[in-house]
Amino acid sequence: QITLKESGPTLVKPTQTLTLTCTFSGFSLSTSGVGVGWIRQPPGKALEWLALIYWDDDKRYSPSLKSRLTITKDTSKNQVVLTMTNMDPVDTATYSCVHWANTYGYYYWGQGTLVTVSS
Amino acid sequence: QSVLTQPPSASGTPGQRVTISCSGSSSNIGSNYVYWYQQLPGTAPKLLIYRNNQRPSGVPDRFSGSKSGTSASLAISGLRSEDEADYYCASWDDSLSAWVFGGGTKLTVL
Repeated sequence: QITLKESGPTLVKPTQTLTLTCTFSGFSLSTSGVGVGWIRQPPGKALEWLALIYWDDDKRYSPSLKSRLTITKDTSKNQVVLTMTNMDPVDTATYSCVHWANTYGYYYWGQGTLVTVSS
Repeated sequence: QSVLTQPPSASGTPGQRVTISCSGSSSNIGSNYVYWYQQLPGTAPKLLIYRNNQRPSGVPDRFSGSKSGTSASLAISGLRSEDEADYYCASWDDSLSAWVFGGGTKLTVL
């Protein structure tokens, strides 16, 4: 059974750096064809893809946010970490980590964590 | 402004068939698979369709997906009240080297 869970601060101040950790179980991020991505959703708005890290450590980022994002993995700990610099109130959203596989895309989702950016 | 274009809303009565469209370009839908997600209020999105028209285990065959050129559609037949949700399409974009989502369609069951 695949599960993912996000952890991190619920409130950050403008200009601060957000660090979110995704802890997962039920799969290995060293298995070929597997990845973990981050997707966010501002309140009442649409889904927005942020980043994806593959089993081979290849990484992809949203072009509009690439300069602010870093995604890393720790295979031994079954964790993926997303950092986003220079946070702004418009970055207020529910951030979710998602299991990706080249067969079915994004299938298993974490519950998401609401991050509010406010002074 | 989303890269993939969906109508903001759709509606139907119980038992009807409803379709939701998703329009893209040659760099995304035109050359890659399309995925569809259902998001019930207050819950995480659920994968409904992968690789254009494949249903994951457990998804009723009332849900079907299709693709033609740079557009895709999600069809829901035998509409039920529990189908009232937001629906999103997604695809990989070769030009952006990024995953792109539609703006979402809110389905109302009248």
